[in-house]
Amino acid sequence: NAGVTQTPKFRILKIGQSMTLQCTQDMNHNYMYWYRQDPGMGLKLIYYSVGAGITDKGEVPNGYNVSRSTTEDFPLRLELAAPSQTSVYFCASSPGQYNSPLHFGNGTRLTVT
Amino acid sequence: AQSVTQLDSHVSVSEGTPVLLRCNYSSSYSPSLFWYVQHPNKGLQLLLKYTSAATLVKGINGFEAEFKKSETSFHLTKPSAHMSDAAEYFCVVSDLFNKFYFGSGTKLNVKP
Repeated sequence: NAGVTQTPKFRILKIGQSMTLQCTQDMNHNYMYWYRQDPGMGLKLIYYSVGAGITDKGEVPNGYNVSRSTTEDFPLRLELAAPSQTSVYFCASSPGQYNSPLHFGNGTRLTVT
Repeated sequence: AQSVTQLDSHVSVSEGTPVLLRCNYSSSYSPSLFWYVQHPNKGLQLLLKYTSAATLVKGINGFEAEFKKSETSFHLTKPSAHMSDAAEYFCVVSDLFNKFYFGSGTKLNVKP
């Protein structure tokens, strides 16, 4: 099982550029999440989805968009990159049952200059 | 609302000595609690999770955590630290809607 796969692993963007971070999972999990991790801040939830066609904002959604057209895929879109979006981004999934843990991808390290 | 407080941002121990990483939680109901570990430049790996079946939870790599409802704590312990335990550890609580809330993390340094 591949689990949760994120691409790319690293990316450097110039201010104002756009990009999509890809996330796919092969565990048939209903719930998927995007987090960003900044030093000393833990992980902050950007967006999440409870199933195909359903998404909702997390704690820090500004500057990002998501879509969930299939159970497997949950891409994160940055439209106008800003230096404040320099971070490590993690995608995760969960079956959604009580006490089910999160399963994480390996992360995307994004630098905006 | 759910929240998690990790009481130490950095902990330093000598190899072979016990490890204690502290976590307090806030939850309106019986919580789902987890500990994750993140080695440098890696993703997050589940160490253990609390189920209501037992207050002492055993995880991977010799780690344990004890759920204490009266103290709203879920501290992580290990009897004897190994160099490979050097990492960042996150305490996590989830709510009834399967949203997960992370503590700010504790960096564990293990000295030879």
